[in-house]
Amino acid sequence: GESVGLHLPTLSVQEGDNSIINCAYSNSASDYFIWYKQESGKGPQFIIDIRSNMDKRQGQRVTVLLNKTVKHLSLQIAATQPGDSAVYFCAENYYNAGGTSYGKLTFGQGTILTVHP
Amino acid sequence: KAGVTQTPRYLIKTRGQQVTLSCSPISGHRSVSWYQQTPGQGLQFLFEYFSETQRNKGNFPGRFSGRQFSNSRSEMNVSTLELGDSALYLCASSPSGGGVGDTQYFGPGTRLTVL
Repeated sequence: GESVGLHLPTLSVQEGDNSIINCAYSNSASDYFIWYKQESGKGPQFIIDIRSNMDKRQGQRVTVLLNKTVKHLSLQIAATQPGDSAVYFCAENYYNAGGTSYGKLTFGQGTILTVHP
Repeated sequence: KAGVTQTPRYLIKTRGQQVTLSCSPISGHRSVSWYQQTPGQGLQFLFEYFSETQRNKGNFPGRFSGRQFSNSRSEMNVSTLELGDSALYLCASSPSGGGVGDTQYFGPGTRLTVL
């Protein structure tokens, strides 16, 4: 049968605006979350991470917020630049003593961010 | 430090053939994970290797296999290629592959096209 591709959410902003990208994660036991940026033709690039015992973490121009109650993650990019245009993925991982989660990240579908000069 | 490297960057194969992809992790990283990325399914976990042992495996058929060498370099193999195997194959390395804060860093990927 015909395969249905993922329809990625899109966010379009003007240069200099602040951007907020949202992600709903699936596993309430997840204890580590990462945001990646993927530009066309490249592999995902690490942006920022957060552990489940935190609700906010800041980096350079980026902030990640974690709301475990509703299993929601967001990435805020300040003063968005054209070079920020890419697909952004959230990823989750949980560590268990049984080791069944070794090396496995579960990714969200991604959000396409387009920044207009 | 050099990043994760993958070779080749592009491959074109025909149905029924087999293919081997290579990944060199960041120096000092002992865990290597492989992912398949397609427009239809997104990024999906294939398997993870640590100290030459497969510790975790995703939901892919047995045609997908891998191995890791003593220097932590890893290869993945796909046998009897199908059209649906066309994808970007990504390798990621991390220090230990487990535990909170063990960040995975990705290579540029190998673009496989099956005709």
